[in-house]
Amino acid sequence: DIVMTQSPLSLPVTPGEPASISCRSSQSLVKYLDWYLQKPGQSPQVLIRLGSNRASGVPDRFSGSGSGTDFTLKISRVEAEDVGVYYCMQTLQAPYSFGQGTRLGIK
Amino acid sequence: EVQLVESGGGLVQPGGSLRLSCAASGFTFNSYWMTWVRQAPGKGLEWVANIKGDGSEKKYVDSVKGRFTISRDNAKNSVYLQMNSLRAEDTGVYYCARGEWDLDWGQGTLVNVSA
Repeated sequence: DIVMTQSPLSLPVTPGEPASISCRSSQSLVKYLDWYLQKPGQSPQVLIRLGSNRASGVPDRFSGSGSGTDFTLKISRVEAEDVGVYYCMQTLQAPYSFGQGTRLGIK
Repeated sequence: EVQLVESGGGLVQPGGSLRLSCAASGFTFNSYWMTWVRQAPGKGLEWVANIKGDGSEKKYVDSVKGRFTISRDNAKNSVYLQMNSLRAEDTGVYYCARGEWDLDWGQGTLVNVSA
């Protein structure tokens, strides 16, 4: 099974500053990786699909990059509404799997 | 607008069974894979199972194989998760989602396995 590892697990950020979350997989995913945000008290929502494609309605301050085993989610300027837990998910092979989650908070 | 409404959660004793349902609307149901994901209290997301649009392929996480069964009724635009031999570690919110990847999520239903 593919193991997903995110870092950091906690990320305090000052509004207006950039943020970056790393996701690494135990084997190459090619590009089969999505990013999700779970805001407090809500269901997760997709941000990025297939490594770098922003989902419909997602602000352009969010970007995804990477391929193979190393992927990154970047927020160019963090806003208060971006707080929550960010998850990467691999969909290369079943059982599909998520990273542990990165909790982004505001300083 | 995609809508997914889960139901069937509740309190069940260890060893018991529950059947979760997910009613879908707003899209051509039989064209999409459907997925179940769960989240234990205060924990992260765990992919559980998915099923192809025509029901011909089903995949499961190892921890539920032989105990859970995913199915769908395309005439009713619904997907189901039959959960048998439930354990305490199955406790959590179960989300129904549209797709195999690039998931659209429902609001979830809470399953509590406790004596």
